[in-house]
Amino acid sequence: DSGVTQTPKHLITATGQRVTLRCSPRSGDLSVYWYQQSLDQGLQFLIQYYNGEERAKGNILERFSAQQFPDLHSELNLSSLELGDSALYFCASSYYRDSYLSTGELFFGEGSRLTVL
Amino acid sequence: KNQVEQSPQSLIILEGKNCTLQCNYTVSPFSNLRWYKQDTGRGPVSLTIMTFSENTKSNGRYTATLDADTKQSSLHITASQLSDSASYICVVRQYSGAGSYQLTFGKGTKLSVIP
Repeated sequence: DSGVTQTPKHLITATGQRVTLRCSPRSGDLSVYWYQQSLDQGLQFLIQYYNGEERAKGNILERFSAQQFPDLHSELNLSSLELGDSALYFCASSYYRDSYLSTGELFFGEGSRLTVL
Repeated sequence: KNQVEQSPQSLIILEGKNCTLQCNYTVSPFSNLRWYKQDTGRGPVSLTIMTFSENTKSNGRYTATLDADTKQSSLHITASQLSDSASYICVVRQYSGAGSYQLTFGKGTKLSVIP
C-alpha cells in the first residue's frame, strides 16, 4: 500500500459526459502528479501540482483540468469525454516539488479505470 | 528529443529461468534512473534507483546495471517466479534547469512468467 488513495476505482460513462477523479496523496506529501495510461501504452504525464499551485504541465488536453486543494487532495476533471479517453488514470505523490532534495521517487495510487462508451 | 526506449516490448519465460530487460535513453543531463514494477491494473512501485556513479545494484533477485557512457541500463531477474509477471518501467530523471527536474518514462516491458 503506497498510501495514495484514488477514487473511484472504476467509472463507466458515455461520450460527451464529464467526470471527476479524486486523489489523496500520502500523508505529508506536497506534490501530486496525474498520469494517463491507455491500453498497452506507457504512462503519459498530464500535470503536477505542488502545495496547491500548478508546477508542470504535460500532454494534458484542454478538455481536462485539475486542481489541488488546501488539504492537498487533488481532483482531475475530464469533460466532453471521447472514446479515446478510456484509460487508467494514475495519481502519484511525493514530498518535494522535485528539486535536488529529492531522488524523484513517485508513490502511485491504484488508479481509476475510466471507460467511455 | 529526450527518449527512453525499452526492449523487448514483451517477454514470456518459464518459471525459474533468468531474463534481462533493457533500457536505452537519450535524456541529458542525467540525474538518475529508476526501475518500477507495475502489476496488472495496479500502480507502479519502485524497485531500484541508479545514480551516475553506480554500475550495479541488487535488490533480492533483481539486479540493475547502468552504463552512463553508453546511456544503457538493464534489469536482470534471477530464478523468475510467477509473481514477477508484470510490466517493468524504466524512468530517467534529468535536470531541466532552475533547480527543477523532469521525468521521462519508457513504455515498459511486459513480462509473463509461465509455469
